Amino acid sequence: KQEVTQIPAALSVPEGENLVLNCSFTDSAIYNLQWFRQDPGKGLTSLLLIQSSQREQTSGRLNASLDKSSGRSTLYIAASQPGDSATYLCAVSHNDYKLSFGAGTTVTVRA
Amino acid sequence: SAVISQKPSRDICQRGTSLTIQCQVDSQVTMMFWYRQQPGQSLTLIATANQGSEATYESGFVIDKFPISRPNLTFSTLTVSNMSPEDSSIYLCSVNERAKGIQYFGAGTRLSVL
Repeated sequence: KQEVTQIPAALSVPEGENLVLNCSFTDSAIYNLQWFRQDPGKGLTSLLLIQSSQREQTSGRLNASLDKSSGRSTLYIAASQPGDSATYLCAVSHNDYKLSFGAGTTVTVRA
Repeated sequence: SAVISQKPSRDICQRGTSLTIQCQVDSQVTMMFWYRQQPGQSLTLIATANQGSEATYESGFVIDKFPISRPNLTFSTLTVSNMSPEDSSIYLCSVNERAKGIQYFGAGTRLSVL
């Protein structure tokens, strides 16, 4: 059974600081890995998708890396803003498209 | 990208009653997924809903408790039956965009059972 762990569980930083969120998974036979953002009272928004054959993906201030062999992914958010405050979830899928989620990292960016 | 509408957005229900949650997608999709997010926890897959066949349930979830319908390629319902306070959670439906592998989620249904 796939186990996904996210560290830290919570993070509070001043505005402008870079964020580093970690995700680890036990079964390296994944199809892809996705990072989501969850805002209170709202659903999930897909931020980045990394296919198993890729090493990283970038979108604006966001960069996600994937080391499949060691079962790790890292999400970097550059120059954080208060609007980045949310819970960030890491999820891995196998060929059946079912997702296994981590418990999330709750980020607070202080103005 | 797929746009998913879920109804209701929230509800407060009495113990022993049932609630049906609707999920509408703006495009035809083969598989729809139902997830549960209990307070303070991450998402857990309840079942996969395929059009024209029985839903496939994950370990720990049964059809009698969470019956699912999938009448066409754009719509699905999840019923939470004989509710107890332990069923208080956010229930989300999602679809997968096969070409890109991206998963899209509805805004969720926040259920409180008294």
